[in-house]
Amino acid sequence: DAGVTQSPTHLIKTRGQQVTLRCSPKSGHDTVSWYQQALGQGPQFIFQYYEEEERQRGNFPDRFSGHQFPNYSSELNVNALLLGDSALYLCASSLSYNTGDYYGYTFGSGTRLTVV
Amino acid sequence: GQQLNQSPQSMFIQEGEDVSMNCTSSSIFNTWLWYKQEPGEGPVLLIALYKAGELTSNGRLTAQFGITRKDSFLNISASIPSDVGIYFCAGPHQQQGAQKLVFGQGTRLTINP
Repeated sequence: DAGVTQSPTHLIKTRGQQVTLRCSPKSGHDTVSWYQQALGQGPQFIFQYYEEEERQRGNFPDRFSGHQFPNYSSELNVNALLLGDSALYLCASSLSYNTGDYYGYTFGSGTRLTVV
Repeated sequence: GQQLNQSPQSMFIQEGEDVSMNCTSSSIFNTWLWYKQEPGEGPVLLIALYKAGELTSNGRLTAQFGITRKDSFLNISASIPSDVGIYFCAGPHQQQGAQKLVFGQGTRLTINP
């Protein structure tokens, strides 16, 4: 049973460019959450998608946007990249009606984005 | 917003030693979670705590939910090399029908064999 799959694993972009990161949730999961983890910090919540809609958003600018597809996979888009956007971007999937099951809240290995 | 503070930020210990780390919050959490992250991987849940005062073990790991609901502790006994990694505390926060996790900044554990 495949867990959460993220692609690409590493990415280098130039300031001002745009980037798209992808996430395939664990089989059976319908909710996807995105986190940004800067070097030496804990993950910071960006937003969550369920039923193809953004349900909650953290303290991130509108340059960060997302999408969820009918098969529950998700994309994170970042426009006008800044040097400070360099981080590990983590995707976590879960089951919407089982919010108390934290052992089922599964993280992927992340995409390491470097902005130069 | 909610913030979790972990201490110490890093630990350098000898194999076989016991480890203690803690996490404090300015606000109350009804659940406390302890994660471990290894290089190149996402966080993996070690222990979940659901009730104030609860003490829960997972092998050599023991975690406690503080009675004020504003702190939690994680202990590792008889450390081994595979315990190396970054340990995060986290608390769930429910808003607008969705749930997010709030993380501390982590405690980096290094073990000298």
